[in-house]
Amino acid sequence: RKEVEQDPGPFNVPEGATVAFNCTYSNSASQSFFWYRQDCRKEPKLLMSVYSSGNEDGRFTAQLNRASQYISLLIRDSKLSDSATYLCVVNLWWGKLQFGAGTQVVVTP
Amino acid sequence: SAVISQKPSRDICQRGTSLTIQCQVDSQVTMMFWYRQQPGQSLTLIATANQGSEATYESGFVIDKFPISRPNLTFSTLTVSNMSPEDSSIYLCSVVITGYQNTEAFFGQGTRLTVV
Repeated sequence: RKEVEQDPGPFNVPEGATVAFNCTYSNSASQSFFWYRQDCRKEPKLLMSVYSSGNEDGRFTAQLNRASQYISLLIRDSKLSDSATYLCVVNLWWGKLQFGAGTQVVVTP
Repeated sequence: SAVISQKPSRDICQRGTSLTIQCQVDSQVTMMFWYRQQPGQSLTLIATANQGSEATYESGFVIDKFPISRPNLTFSTLTVSNMSPEDSSIYLCSVVITGYQNTEAFFGQGTRLTVV
């Protein structure tokens, strides 16, 4: 079983629609959680950290459920520029990160 | 934040040769991380580069194949030795910066390696 699992997608989303997807992690000692965005042939870049209480950044909402060991990302009012691969990242200890394989989102006109 | 300059950005190499990838960070960091990302897959940690000591390798990766140098707190190199086509991948270096309320990983631009 992979330590961080994501639905690879692709999620084909009409522009303006909402899309949500989850990520599960296996290590209950994981300390912090992130969503990174990776565009084709580019390095990953931080989209947002995920806090226990859930957090929102504009059109993006992240939730963490420690009991069930999953995190989620919701994108509202999808834009064409949201098309990317979204990586679920779990921090085991300072700096040691585990990456999911990514969820591909394709926003269509 | 941190800015990482990684080079080369891409290379095509003959099997059996070696390639050294360099990463320069604009600030001093204790640990640097080297990842591999094979086509369609996520990032896999190769090793953690520590200044002043040997790198720590993850399962499946060995020093003879991926020697790492860390001469100071802002620089590291990863060498892919005796390359084979299976080594074709994107290699990324990374640092993690921990602030008061947040932690963020920063990445170099990646080295796209093709072994022929």
